Amino acid sequence: QLQLQESGPGLLKPSETLSLTCSVSGGSISSSSHYWGWIRQPPGKGLEWIGSIYYSGNTYYNPSVKSRVTISVDTSNNQFSLKLSTVTAADTAFYYCARELWRYYFDQWGQGALVTVSS
Amino acid sequence: DIVMTQSPDSLAVSLGERATINCKSSQSLLYSSNNKNYLAWYQQRPGQPPKLLLYWASTRESGVPDRFSGSASGTDFTLTISSLQAEDVAVYYCQQYYNTPRTFGQGTKVEIK
Repeated sequence: QLQLQESGPGLLKPSETLSLTCSVSGGSISSSSHYWGWIRQPPGKGLEWIGSIYYSGNTYYNPSVKSRVTISVDTSNNQFSLKLSTVTAADTAFYYCARELWRYYFDQWGQGALVTVSS
Repeated sequence: DIVMTQSPDSLAVSLGERATINCKSSQSLLYSSNNKNYLAWYQQRPGQPPKLLLYWASTRESGVPDRFSGSASGTDFTLTISSLQAEDVAVYYCQQYYNTPRTFGQGTKVEIK
């Protein structure tokens, strides 16, 4: 059974860089049928897609954060990562990693990691 | 960006009764080459990540009870829970995957009356 698990620091100061890793188990990140995405959710609010990556390294991003975001993949360790630079309080959210069927819908989700930005 | 607007924001339904959630997209999500609507529905229970319920507007994900169904008419989409159960208390989101960026509705909270 596929599982995704987010990990990374939970507290950042404004202007720092958010770094999260999603470890995939029970399946290969090198699947030809799937992209791997990041979605965030401010506490008590709705969902925002950040971006997605294919095992080859092909990415596509939400223009709203594209200038600050880098998503990378590490196939040897079956994981992918998110970096978001110059964070502000507006970036405080639960960050979910998810498997995306091709470039369609998200069919498996991690439990989420809360990242708080505060001075 | 394609704007997804859900209605209502919340609803309270008695156990065993029908719950209907609407989602309207700002443009068509129908891809003419395959006649499919590029829309998914998710359920998010309190303290949990979202869970995929339906894709292609009306196809149930494996393991999803058949009391959940979806329909489409133009740019209007509907998620129906035919007989509400206690475990269906959640926030429901629609999401379009027709265009980048992928966008979600604001969510509809379903509670027990």
